[in-house]
Amino acid sequence: KNEVEQSPQNLTAQEGEFITINCSYSVGISALHWLQQHPGGGIVSLFMLSSGKKKHGRLIATINIQEKHSSLHITASHPRDSAVYICAVRSPQGGSEKLVFGKGTKLTVNP
Amino acid sequence: SAVISQKPSRDICQRGTSLTIQCQVDSQVTMMFWYRQQPGQSLTLIATANQGSEATYESGFVIDKFPISRPNLTFSTLTVSNLSPEDSSIYLCSLKGLHTDTQYFGPGTRLTVL
Repeated sequence: KNEVEQSPQNLTAQEGEFITINCSYSVGISALHWLQQHPGGGIVSLFMLSSGKKKHGRLIATINIQEKHSSLHITASHPRDSAVYICAVRSPQGGSEKLVFGKGTKLTVNP
Repeated sequence: SAVISQKPSRDICQRGTSLTIQCQVDSQVTMMFWYRQQPGQSLTLIATANQGSEATYESGFVIDKFPISRPNLTFSTLTVSNLSPEDSSIYLCSLKGLHTDTQYFGPGTRLTVL
């Protein structure tokens, strides 16, 4: 079992829909990151969370430390939101902190 | 924030050759990271590039296959040696913010090995 699991793997939505992507993890963490990867491969950091909730524009990220679960929400989705969204946790391992990544959720938003 | 550039952005290489990927950062950072993302898989850390000392490799990755240089605080190279089709991946340079835990990534190098 992967230490970081995302669901769904693939998601297709119509423009304007509310989208939720889920991330569950099984290790102790100091922070959780949501990343966006565009088709060319480049990755942009969207959020870093250690508790509660953060909002940036149409994006909202929440984390429940007790349940080891985080969600990324996109309100009023748009075709330009189409990308792969990756959850990553910063986990202490062997005296240092490493990032452990989920496999990503491929989002396609149709006009 | 940090701006990271990588060269080349993509390449197609023949089996048995090598490819060197360059990573340039617009500010001085202590640790730079090299990741590999195989098709359909999550990112995997190859090694941490330390300035002035040898890179620290993760389990499953060795210096002979993935030699890394870090001549100064703003530049690093990763070479993928003796290429095979299994090396076809996206390779990403990354760093952690100096005063934050934000992780920054380069645009990636998409390697295809024929």
